[in-house]
Amino acid sequence: AQSVSQHNHHVILSEAASLELGCNYSYGGTVNLFWYVQYPGQHLQLLLKYFSGDPLVKGIKGFEAEFIKSKFSFNLRKPSVQWSDTAEYFCAVKKGSQGNLIFGKGTKLSVKP
Amino acid sequence: DGGITQSPKYLFRKEGQNVTLSCEQNLNHDAMYWYRQDPGQGLRLIYYSQIVNDFQKGDIAEGYSVSREKKESFPLTVTSAQKNPTAFYLCASSPRRINQPQHFGDGTRLSIL
Repeated sequence: AQSVSQHNHHVILSEAASLELGCNYSYGGTVNLFWYVQYPGQHLQLLLKYFSGDPLVKGIKGFEAEFIKSKFSFNLRKPSVQWSDTAEYFCAVKKGSQGNLIFGKGTKLSVKP
Repeated sequence: DGGITQSPKYLFRKEGQNVTLSCEQNLNHDAMYWYRQDPGQGLRLIYYSQIVNDFQKGDIAEGYSVSREKKESFPLTVTSAQKNPTAFYLCASSPRRINQPQHFGDGTRLSIL
């Protein structure tokens, strides 16, 4: 069965530290890839998405992610985190262009001021 | 502003009761989805509907039912057959066009009294 793995359950960083959250998926065909963020008390928001083209995708708030097809990975990065980045981050994969989203279990990010 | 409205925000259910969660969208999206979010589990798909009067079971449909009589509305009923209904329920919608992300509501938190 198709699955999405997020390696870290909880990441704690100090402000200005660099961030990388891992995401791997198991499906071998064409995929659409997403990162969603859920700030405390708020709804899920789309952070960035990859459908095709340049594997390095830039999203909102300085986040980026790189699709590495050979590694089945779509890791999320940010060079310098802020306290306001404290949230839960979800990686999601859509099989093909019309399949349903499969979500990872999420990674909680806590940024210490 | 266009968006997805879920109501109520908090809902309490007695053992043996059915409860219905509301989801309304004014984004003119064809597809709508219901997810269940549990701590450390990510989001799991309960039901989805690609078009009015049609819906499909997701990964964890047992104990739930839905209807899609109008494009704007996709209510979810949590029946007494759902043995562990305490969770955060998220509704989402998306256009049917390919390569479109899902948009999420603010969620309903259901608790058992």
